Amino acid sequence: NAGVMQNPRHLVRRRGQEARLRCSPMKGHSHVYWYRQLPEEGLKFMVYLQKENIIDESGMPKERFSAEFPKEGPSILRIQQVVRGDSAAYFCASSPGPKNTEAFFGQGTRLTVV
Amino acid sequence: GESVGLHLPTLSVQEGDNSIINCAYSNSASDYFIWYKQESGKGPQFIIDIRSNMDKRQGQRVTVLLNKTVKHLSLQIAATQPGDSAVYFCAESNDYKLSFGAGTTVTVRA
Repeated sequence: NAGVMQNPRHLVRRRGQEARLRCSPMKGHSHVYWYRQLPEEGLKFMVYLQKENIIDESGMPKERFSAEFPKEGPSILRIQQVVRGDSAAYFCASSPGPKNTEAFFGQGTRLTVV
Repeated sequence: GESVGLHLPTLSVQEGDNSIINCAYSNSASDYFIWYKQESGKGPQFIIDIRSNMDKRQGQRVTVLLNKTVKHLSLQIAATQPGDSAVYFCAESNDYKLSFGAGTTVTVRA
């Protein structure tokens, strides 16, 4: 049973471009969480999704950021018109149910905006 | 706002000694706490958890202590090994959302 898979592991984008980060949850997990980690800081909650539904996006910036978890395929975190301040590590976690006590994290995508 | 934080940003420990990592939290309503280990370039890895109705829980070489009176959490690592070098985070859970502290970097000296 593969763990939570995130790709790409590293992503470099120029200012103004779009970044797409993908997360494939563990098999049997239908709940996905995205977190952002700035250098020298802890992880900050961004969004919680179930299949085809956004449950809580209270941690998402109001503009340029969006997330989805379609019926088929991975969850996608999309950042439009990236700025240097978006440079961070983005982690995805998944769980079989709504409680994050059983959540497992992926290896993260490190986004660098140049 | 309410947050989870750690007392010390770095900890240097001699190999074989015990390590103690501390964490203070502010949300008295939190009922579940988790310690994570994060190695360089990797995602957080679950170490041990504890519910608010407990004050101590032991795992393999690790012990978590919870003091709700002063809202303090600690992680004890016995016989610290080089492989324990990492950043350690405490996190409090509120339903599905985890709130992380800033982390303590543990360096093990040979």
